[in-house]
Amino acid sequence: EAGVVQSPRYKIIEKKQPVAFWCNPISGHNTLYWYRQNLGQGPELLIRYENEEAVDDSQLPKDRFSAERLKGVDSTLKIQPAELGDSAVYLCASSSQFYEQYFGPGTRLTVT
Amino acid sequence: GENVEQHPSTLSVQEGDSAVIKCTYSDSASNYFPWYKQELGKRPQLIIDIRSNVGEKKDQRIAVTLNKTAKHFSLHITETQPEDSAVYFCAASMGGATNKLIFGTGTLLAVQP
Repeated sequence: EAGVVQSPRYKIIEKKQPVAFWCNPISGHNTLYWYRQNLGQGPELLIRYENEEAVDDSQLPKDRFSAERLKGVDSTLKIQPAELGDSAVYLCASSSQFYEQYFGPGTRLTVT
Repeated sequence: GENVEQHPSTLSVQEGDSAVIKCTYSDSASNYFPWYKQELGKRPQLIIDIRSNVGEKKDQRIAVTLNKTAKHFSLHITETQPEDSAVYFCAASMGGATNKLIFGTGTLLAVQP
């Protein structure tokens, strides 16, 4: 079974530039999550999708972050404009039921 | 909201010894407690989990125990090997339709050969 796929794996941008991350969940998984992991810390949830619907986006900084999950499969997370403090690893996870979550390899974002 | 505390932040053991990592949670409504292993630069990997209807679960060299009354759960690794070296994260959630994982701050486990 293929795991969660993310791209790109690494991204370096200058502040104020836009950036987008892509995630393809495990086939058949209806629930998709975006997490942010700062250095030396555990992941923190940004947004959770049930199929196409964002059911929990309370932690998403909506002034600069946006996300979409068209057709209930792939998802894109966007930051515009990026700030220095956005440097982190952005992790995508998916689950088929209400418990086990499986993570992708993440996108390491560096904002200079 | 839920808060998860994890101890110790670093743990060094000799190969073959046992390692124990402990977590406490604050929300008594939490009912799902997974453990993730994360090697440097890699994805968090689910290694074991436990739901609130059981007190202990074991999978080969790893086990997890849950004390709902005290609101704490622990990861036990026996016969540690160098490849067990990684950062381990505990997490808690209410599962179901509110499956938001709240993670601990992680434990860096170093297994000395």
